[in-house]
Amino acid sequence: NAGVTQTPKFRVLKTGQSMTLLCAQDMNHEYMYWYRQDPGMGLRLIHYSVGEGTTAKGEVPDGYNVSRLKKQNFLLGLESAAPSQTSVYFCASSRVGTGELFFGEGSRLTVL
Amino acid sequence: AQSVSQHNHHVILSEAASLELGCNYSYGGTVNLFWYVQYPGQHLQLLLKYFSGDPLVKGIKGFEAEFIKSKFSFNLRKPSVQWSDTAEYFCAVNGQGSWGKLQFGSGTQVVVTP
Repeated sequence: NAGVTQTPKFRVLKTGQSMTLLCAQDMNHEYMYWYRQDPGMGLRLIHYSVGEGTTAKGEVPDGYNVSRLKKQNFLLGLESAAPSQTSVYFCASSRVGTGELFFGEGSRLTVL
Repeated sequence: AQSVSQHNHHVILSEAASLELGCNYSYGGTVNLFWYVQYPGQHLQLLLKYFSGDPLVKGIKGFEAEFIKSKFSFNLRKPSVQWSDTAEYFCAVNGQGSWGKLQFGSGTQVVVTP
């Protein structure tokens, strides 16, 4: 059972480039999330989805877009990367109504 | 808006010492409470959770946490730490009406020396 899988795990971008992070879960969870982790700031919610075809903004959504075309996948896009988006990105999923999150292994993004 | 505060940012202690990490939250309604752990180079894993019932909850690896509603606290404890407990620990909360949004504290880095 793979759980939550993120790709890629590492990526280096130049300012202004675009990229997409892919998250896939095989637990049939309704909810999916994208967090970013920065030193001393814990995890901050970027966007989340409560079901296929629906997305919502979290705490720090600016500069990111998301899509949930299939229940098992949640994509995070950066249209024009900025150095401030250098971070470790974690995808997570959960069942409805629990808040107990299952995390992927993270994607380390560096924007030069 | 709900918030979570972890009082200790860095904790260094020796093996066999006792550990207590503080967590306070601000939310007026019903909450679910969690402690997650992140070992070096790994993703976050659930350590323990409180939804309702006995306010003293036990998790994996000998950890426990006590929910004190009057103090809005959910402190994590372990009587005797091991070197393998070196990790970053995150307290997290979500509230009724926002079950899909978990609010994390800033984390506490714990280093256990042999």
